[in-house]
Amino acid sequence: GAGVSQTPSNKVTEKGKYVELRCDPISGHTALYWYRQSLGQGPEFLIYFQGTGAADDSGLPNDRFFAVRPEGSVSTLKIQRTERGDSAVYLCASSTRDSPDTQYFGPGTRLTVL
Amino acid sequence: AQSVTQLGSHVSVSEGALVLLRCNYSSSVPPYLFWYVQYPNQGLQLLLKYTSAATLVEGINGFEAEFKKSETSFHLTKPSAHMSDAAEYFCAVSGGSGNTPLVFGKGTRLSVIA
Repeated sequence: GAGVSQTPSNKVTEKGKYVELRCDPISGHTALYWYRQSLGQGPEFLIYFQGTGAADDSGLPNDRFFAVRPEGSVSTLKIQRTERGDSAVYLCASSTRDSPDTQYFGPGTRLTVL
Repeated sequence: AQSVTQLGSHVSVSEGALVLLRCNYSSSVPPYLFWYVQYPNQGLQLLLKYTSAATLVEGINGFEAEFKKSETSFHLTKPSAHMSDAAEYFCAVSGGSGNTPLVFGKGTRLSVIA
């Protein structure tokens, strides 16, 4: 079946601009996670949704980052006033209620802030 | 709190040789442990997971890992390396059952020499 999809696959923007990154989880998966992977590092947790609500947003680095999941399926990660340090691969993962410990990852969105 | 240390950012083995990728963890609660593989320009794929059952875990593609509580280790092994095993490998820990974020190590890049 279809896996986690993320769009766009690549995004280049200028410092100070606003960007939106989209994640479409596996159908029926109730939990959705966002991670950020900087060059040469492992993924770092940003935020986790259970259904429509953010259950844990402790990984968001500052208030320029925000994420929504209005209908409990697709999620959008929003970054305001982008900075060069925001350049990274943003990964999305989803999991089921029956097997919550197993997260399935999408291919990621590579964000480059010039 | 949880953390993971992967010893060796780059490991090189000959085709047919033993693969050993090291992972040590720290966790304040009984951990769940994972190994993921990442091929170039692709998302993370789950190799195997430990969730407090058998300490020796078998995964896909001939990989296995052993949970050793006394050593706080979860090393990944494969008896005979194949060229297709060349990739980035990440060890991760979570705080047990339920939907909890993964904490990743920095990754180990495996090269396989013909």
